[in-house]
Amino acid sequence: NAGVTQTPKFRILKIGQSMTLQCTQDMNHNYMYWYRQDPGMGLKLIYYSVGAGITDKGEVPNGYNVSRSTTEDFPLRLELAAPSQTSVYFCASSTGEGMTFFGQGTRLTVV
Amino acid sequence: GQSLEQPSEVTAVEGAIVQINCTYQTSGFYGLSWYQQHDGGAPTFLSYNGLDGLEETGRFSSFLSRSDSYGYLLLQELQMKDSASYFCAPTMTGGFKTIFGAGTRLFVKA
Repeated sequence: NAGVTQTPKFRILKIGQSMTLQCTQDMNHNYMYWYRQDPGMGLKLIYYSVGAGITDKGEVPNGYNVSRSTTEDFPLRLELAAPSQTSVYFCASSTGEGMTFFGQGTRLTVV
Repeated sequence: GQSLEQPSEVTAVEGAIVQINCTYQTSGFYGLSWYQQHDGGAPTFLSYNGLDGLEETGRFSSFLSRSDSYGYLLLQELQMKDSASYFCAPTMTGGFKTIFGAGTRLFVKA
């Protein structure tokens, strides 16, 4: 059972570079989310999607973009990486009724 | 606005019972979930309350009072492996967004 799969697991970016964090889920969930977690802190919602073709901003969307062309995939794009985007990124999916499943996370460092 | 409050740290001994409280303020509240996260790992789902009252899942129970905007997670028969961070996470009706607080770090001592 794959669940939510994120790639890559680790990445180092230079300031100003761009990258896409990939996320796919095989549970046919309509709801998908991207969170970031800074050391010792809780998770902050970046973007979310309620279904294919529909996305919306969360608590901390600046510097990120998302797309949802299929139910399974929800990539997160970082444009012009900044040191403030150094964090652990979690993709998640849900049926919308409280139980959210998380991927294993991507540790991103911007230097 | 939205706010979440839970204690930053709790320490307990193996075999004991511990309660982690959570108060929240959100718009369009749908339900309250609890997640466990070990260092370096991903959050994992523990329990969900959509209605007022107690939900029991093995050693873990969770309670919700909508009128008080309050919930708690009860961990019984604590084990060393329960040392982790615990997050209460309200889900809101708009897009079923789930937001997280800073979490409670639980230390279980022998």
